Amino acid sequence: AQSVSQHNHHVILSEAASLELGCNYSYGGTVNLFWYVQYPGQHLQLLLKYFSGDPLVKGIKGFEAEFIKSKFSFNLRKPSVQWSDTAEYFCAVRDSNDYKLSFGAGTTVTVRA
Amino acid sequence: NAGVTQTPKFQVLKTGQSMTLQCAQDMNHEYMSWYRQDPGMGLRLIHYSVGAGITDQGEVPNGYNVSRSTTEDFPLRLLSAAPSQTSVYFCASSQWPALEKLFFGSGTQLSVL
Repeated sequence: AQSVSQHNHHVILSEAASLELGCNYSYGGTVNLFWYVQYPGQHLQLLLKYFSGDPLVKGIKGFEAEFIKSKFSFNLRKPSVQWSDTAEYFCAVRDSNDYKLSFGAGTTVTVRA
Repeated sequence: NAGVTQTPKFQVLKTGQSMTLQCAQDMNHEYMSWYRQDPGMGLRLIHYSVGAGITDQGEVPNGYNVSRSTTEDFPLRLLSAAPSQTSVYFCASSQWPALEKLFFGSGTQLSVL
């Protein structure tokens, strides 16, 4: 099974600060990469995904992520966070030849107004 | 569209009891899966299915059974509940084989005493 590591367990920021969440995975083959978000009291939902092409992908709500194949990384970024970005963020990886999606442990992001 | 519907939302069991968590989707998705979410461990795949009559094990299948008699339904059965199965359970579905986006249910919070 894939191993997915998220480096930060809990991040606390002030509004307008920049955010970067790290994600590394173990598989060396072709992968599909995802970031999912769970806002308080809401369902998990897809933030962005990478399948192929431009390694810099843009998602909803101003988030972006960069796939760096040589570093097995898919870090999530947002230049200026808002209070409404308070949520738990999960990185997920799938071997493109498999049907299993492996999730990281999650990073709780708290944005202070 | 209702999306992915899970029932019940909360459940308390005694050790050794059995129960079934229900999951239904109305999006005609071939792929359905069950995850458990535990603090510090993220989401771990229990079982998944790529169509009616087809199921397979994920990372943590022990103590759980699934079946897929229809495209819409994917129930998860706990055979003899144990305190280690106290968790939040999520059902998710997706179009297959692309698996570009998982749609999650609202979750079932299960406590085993």
